[in-house]
Amino acid sequence: AQSVTQLGSHVSVSEGALVLLRCNYSSSVPPYLFWYVQYPNQGLQLLLKYTSAATLVKGINGFEAEFKKSETSFHLTKPSAHMSDAAEYFCAVSAMSNNDMRFGAGTRLTVKP
Amino acid sequence: NAGVTQTPKFRILKIGQSMTLQCAQDMNHNYMYWYRQDPGMGLKLIYYSVGAGITDKGEVPNGYNVSRSTTEDFPLRLELAAPSQTSVYFCATKGASGRSDTQYFGPGTRLTVL
Repeated sequence: AQSVTQLGSHVSVSEGALVLLRCNYSSSVPPYLFWYVQYPNQGLQLLLKYTSAATLVKGINGFEAEFKKSETSFHLTKPSAHMSDAAEYFCAVSAMSNNDMRFGAGTRLTVKP
Repeated sequence: NAGVTQTPKFRILKIGQSMTLQCAQDMNHNYMYWYRQDPGMGLKLIYYSVGAGITDKGEVPNGYNVSRSTTEDFPLRLELAAPSQTSVYFCATKGASGRSDTQYFGPGTRLTVL
């Protein structure tokens, strides 16, 4: 079965600081991994996805994530946080059955001025 | 294109009442999903559909029903609302069957059962 674990339900950074949101996955087959962002009172929006091509994936708004098979990780990073990055971030793995997703519990990012 | 739309945005129900959450898409996607989002729990799949006339259960289907008579619409029915169904409900669509394909989400319906 596929699953993801997000380490840290809340992360707080200062504006301009590095953003690092952690995600570890479990999968019995080569995984397809996604990061979604949810702004307050909105639906989820795709940030980036790993589909077995390049291990370093670049997404929107300056975010990127690196797939590390040896560590079963897919951490999300951004070199310099902006106030507008404050949101909830979800890591997800594409499940084998139903073509649906298995989501992590989410990490709420706060950006301090 | 409106993408994925959901109505209503907010609703308060009394225990035992019923209601239908509406989901419509203009993306001509075959795959549609209903998720619920509870605080600190991520999203859980309730029901899904791979095309008009075909639906199936997800992880947490109890207390819900769905239908898919057209490609565009995928309503979610709550027959006897219970406090445990207080949640935010998201509809999502996907255009193709591949595991790498992106799901597109609606803005959600916030439901409170008192």
